[in-house]
Amino acid sequence: GDSVTQMEGPVTLSEEAFLTINCTYTATGYPSLFWYVQYPGEGLQLLLKATKADDKGSNKGFEATYRKETTSFHLEKGSVQVSDSAVYFCALSPNTGFQKLVFGTGTRLLVSP
Amino acid sequence: EAQVTQNPRYLITVTGKKLTVTCSQNMNHEYMSWYRQDPGLGLRQIYYSMNVEVTDKGDVPEGYKVSRKEKRNFPLILESPSPNQTSLYFCASGRTGQETQYFGPGTRLLVL
Repeated sequence: GDSVTQMEGPVTLSEEAFLTINCTYTATGYPSLFWYVQYPGEGLQLLLKATKADDKGSNKGFEATYRKETTSFHLEKGSVQVSDSAVYFCALSPNTGFQKLVFGTGTRLLVSP
Repeated sequence: EAQVTQNPRYLITVTGKKLTVTCSQNMNHEYMSWYRQDPGLGLRQIYYSMNVEVTDKGDVPEGYKVSRKEKRNFPLILESPSPNQTSLYFCASGRTGQETQYFGPGTRLLVL
């Protein structure tokens, strides 16, 4: 079945460091890919998405490129801030018409001043 | 403000005592869904609804019930809660044909 694998956390960085959170997926067909972010005590918010191969999603300085050849959707940011501390979830939608989201296990990011 | 609301936000109960977690959205979304979040497992879908009176099982439906009598509301019912249902629960909604889902703030449930 469809699945998403994320790197385990926590990822601990200093402010202004470069961030990469790895995400790979297994799916039949051509899923859409998402990154959701969960700030402490809050629900999930959509951060960015990509719906087809080679698409790049971007938002708030974060970027991720849909790589079909490597089945990956790694999240990157050039310079993290303390306010980026959160849990990041990679997810896919199988495009079966039922709007199901399959989530990875989440990666906690801790940014220190 | 467009939002998904859940109540209660925190709940401690005992095994076997029926409870309901409410979910409401004000975006006129057709699709609604319940997830549970557990450490090391991410979010797993419990039930979903494509529209009023249309519900279906997700990946982990055992021990849960849902209903969709109105478009805006999608309550999650635990008829006889057990300790393995201790978890963080999220409700989400979305527009049919659009993959983006909007999540509520979560309900943290502890079953003793």
